This record gives sequence, C-alpha cells and structure tokens, in this order.
Amino acid sequence: GQQLNQSPQSMFIQEGEDVSMNCTSSSIFNTWLWYKQDPGEGPVLLIALYKAGELTSNGRLTAQFGITRKDSFLNISASIPSDVGIYFCAGRGQGAQKLVFGQGTRLTINP
Amino acid sequence: GAVVSQHPSRVICKSGTSVKIECRSLDFQATTMFWYRQFPKQSLMLMATSNEGSKATYEQGVEKDKFLINHASLTLSTLTVTSAHPEDSSFYICSARDLIAGGGKETQYFGPGTRLLVL
Repeated sequence: GQQLNQSPQSMFIQEGEDVSMNCTSSSIFNTWLWYKQDPGEGPVLLIALYKAGELTSNGRLTAQFGITRKDSFLNISASIPSDVGIYFCAGRGQGAQKLVFGQGTRLTINP
Repeated sequence: GAVVSQHPSRVICKSGTSVKIECRSLDFQATTMFWYRQFPKQSLMLMATSNEGSKATYEQGVEKDKFLINHASLTLSTLTVTSAHPEDSSFYICSARDLIAGGGKETQYFGPGTRLLVL
C-alpha cells in the first residue's frame, strides 16, 4: 500500500539536543498527523495539522503542514529521555477514510 | 480524551486454532474502525476498514476469509484470525474514528495493541 517517505529512519542524539524529522508525499493531503509509539503500545497522537502552512505546537513539539500540502515536519526541542520512541507521520486525503503512514523515525537519546 | 481498548493485550495460541481480538471505543461511538498489523521495526499496515453494520473493506493482499472482521455495534469491532499459523504472529492494532464529533478536528484514536504469538 501507499506509504509516506519519512526521514530519518533513526536518530541517536544527546539529551538536550533538538530533533527534526520530516515526511513527504507524492500526493496532496488534507490532514497531517504526528504520532509517537512506545514499545508494545499503540500510537498516541501528538499533533494534528489541518491547513497548508499551519504551524502547531504541543509543549516542546512543533509541527508544520507544508505549503504544498505534500510534506510536514516535526521538531522536538531540548530532548529528554522520555522522548525515546518511534515517531510516525500520517496523512489523510480529501474525503478519504484511511490514514497513510510513514515508515517511522526511531529516536534514541544518550543521557 | 477518547479511549480505545483492546482485549486481550497478549495471546499465545497453537497453530491451527482461531483467535478473536476485541476493540472497543469506551466513550464515543465509532462509525468507522480500522485494523492494522505491525511487524517488528516496521510501520503500521492497514488490513481493513469497517463501518458499523457493513461488511469490512480489506486491503489488497489481506485474506478476508482468514481475518474475519465484525463491526456489529458502534462501540465494538472484532478481528478473528482463523486457523492461525506462525507467520500470523504480529502486533495487531485497532483504531476507531468518530465522524460525528467532527468539528474539523482529528477524531481517530488507536488502541493499545494485541500481541499475537502463534506456536
């Protein structure tokens, strides 16, 4: 099935560093979502974006809906140990029921 | 916030047996439910979409006779893995969407997942 192109696939950073990851698509989406998944659990919604150009924050997390509607990025500032996990982007097209997921970005933090 | 539960959280079964996984929306009515499968270190792959009272729509390559989905009420969907084999071992995650809440806000919530191990 269709997947979004998410990068990087993995990141190894020091605690306190900022993190940036992004997703691109060949098709236009009306909704961009960012989820975090901890081991053995389901994804938890972090940020939802609904308009092209929209910039939304959730604590130390900031995400933007690309102006072309084909990309989105997620930034995490001042990373802490509990930020460790896998981050997924997901998009939904106009009138679509299904979400299309990215491959995920695995974040590892060295204390 | 909206909560989706799954039961069981983990199940081990013998090859050839059937396993039923339940997905419930606890505080909202789910007009649409989705079933995903996730293999280790991979993303979520959609298996099927079900609307309450209708037959599920399966993704290409997913056997509808092997993965039976029932969405008989607005708060419950079940996935039955029939004649399970070791290659069916995976992490199964359901998701429920509340289209009525709407308001332009994201209303699709994920369950905690069910780990299936077929011996």
